[in-house]
Amino acid sequence: AQSVTQLGSHVSVSEGALVLLRCNYSSSVPPYLFWYVQYPNQGLQLLLKYTTGATLVKGINGFEAEFKKSETSFHLTKPSAHMSDAAEYFCAVSEQDSSASKIIFGSGTRLSIRP
Amino acid sequence: DAGITQSPRYKITETGRQVTLMCHQTWSHSYMFWYRQDLGHGLRLIYYSAAADITDKGEVPDGYVVSRSKTENFPLTLESATRSQTSVYFCASSVRGSNEQYFGPGTRLTVT
Repeated sequence: AQSVTQLGSHVSVSEGALVLLRCNYSSSVPPYLFWYVQYPNQGLQLLLKYTTGATLVKGINGFEAEFKKSETSFHLTKPSAHMSDAAEYFCAVSEQDSSASKIIFGSGTRLSIRP
Repeated sequence: DAGITQSPRYKITETGRQVTLMCHQTWSHSYMFWYRQDLGHGLRLIYYSAAADITDKGEVPDGYVVSRSKTENFPLTLESATRSQTSVYFCASSVRGSNEQYFGPGTRLTVT
């Protein structure tokens, strides 16, 4: 069975500071990994995804994540936070080569940006 | 290009009433999903559908019914609403084999 653990339900950083949101996964098969962002009163939007190949994945709005198989991690980073980055972020995992397309989501991390 | 839409966006209903939440997508995606979002739980899968007339249970299906007579629609029905079903409900769709899901704007349901 697959699972996702997001460390920290709430992270607060200053504008211009590094953003680091932690995600660890559990999967018995090679995973696909995702980060989704949810702005207030909106649905989820895909930020970035890892499927195969390069382990450093770049997404929208300056975010990136690195797949580390040895650590079963997929942490999300951004070098310099912007006020517009304030949102809820969800890490998610699914099985490669699965026809079911099902995704397991973490419980989310709320990112706040201090002026 | 409307994408994926949900209606209503907000709904207040009473315990015991039947409620149907609608989801419509214009992409002809094979897969459609219903999730509920609750604080501390993230998104939990209620039901999903691989194609018209094919549905399957997710993690939390009890108290819900789905149907999919047409590819583009995937309604979710609460047969007898309970307060524990107060939540935000999201519909999503994906292309077969893609694993990338596209989400609707959500329906905030309050059961009093």
